[in-house]
Amino acid sequence: QSALTQPASVSGSPGQSITISCTGTSSDIGVYDAVSWYQQHPGKAPKLMIYDVNNRPSGVSNRFSGSKSGNTASLTISGLQAEDEADYYCSSYTTTRTPLFGGGTKLTVL
Amino acid sequence: QVQLVESGGAVVQSGRSLRLSCAASGFNFGGYGIHWVRQAPGKGLEWVAHIWYDGSDDSYTDSVKGRFTISRDNSRNTLYLEMTSLRADDTAVYYCARGNYGNYAWSDAFDVWGQGTMVTVTS
Repeated sequence: QSALTQPASVSGSPGQSITISCTGTSSDIGVYDAVSWYQQHPGKAPKLMIYDVNNRPSGVSNRFSGSKSGNTASLTISGLQAEDEADYYCSSYTTTRTPLFGGGTKLTVL
Repeated sequence: QVQLVESGGAVVQSGRSLRLSCAASGFNFGGYGIHWVRQAPGKGLEWVAHIWYDGSDDSYTDSVKGRFTISRDNSRNTLYLEMTSLRADDTAVYYCARGNYGNYAWSDAFDVWGQGTMVTVTS
């Protein structure tokens, strides 16, 4: 199964808001509310930022929010900060009941 | 603290076997499903395998089916990944990750990750 589709890169200035999209199909994002988002800094392990479309784990800033419409999920980061610069990955479960990741998006804070 | 620590990564020749381990601490290991996720150099994340909290069931991505086996020993708080018939495209950092949350009984988000262990397969 092909990876979920994410933009290769996005950028924004400190204080701005950015949105990263994650496009799938009616066999994954479109059918299940099982989308999660991960932040990965260079050389580090990924960190869970959003689970089940729009839920934040304890300790994750409320500047991070998630949503979904049809076959596309989105991660929005508001009040952009320098420390948000990282790679971001979406994941969704599929009709095979296994998870599938997106290709990743590099966020640059200008 | 809640922690996962992988080990066993190495440089191996194509066609050989390798076993990775993932030691858990700080939580009730036997109460959680655990996943293996890998990341090839400079590439994105790829889900590899999952095992239920009690070891009763497992699942694999298509590219490793029949070659990789995930297992666990809840008495030792340890997860394993037995990898056979290794290929160059298995070269990656392998992470173990705890499954948690999930709107469905069979779905997870990966809320705790290890630091990863590098597997390099040479031809």
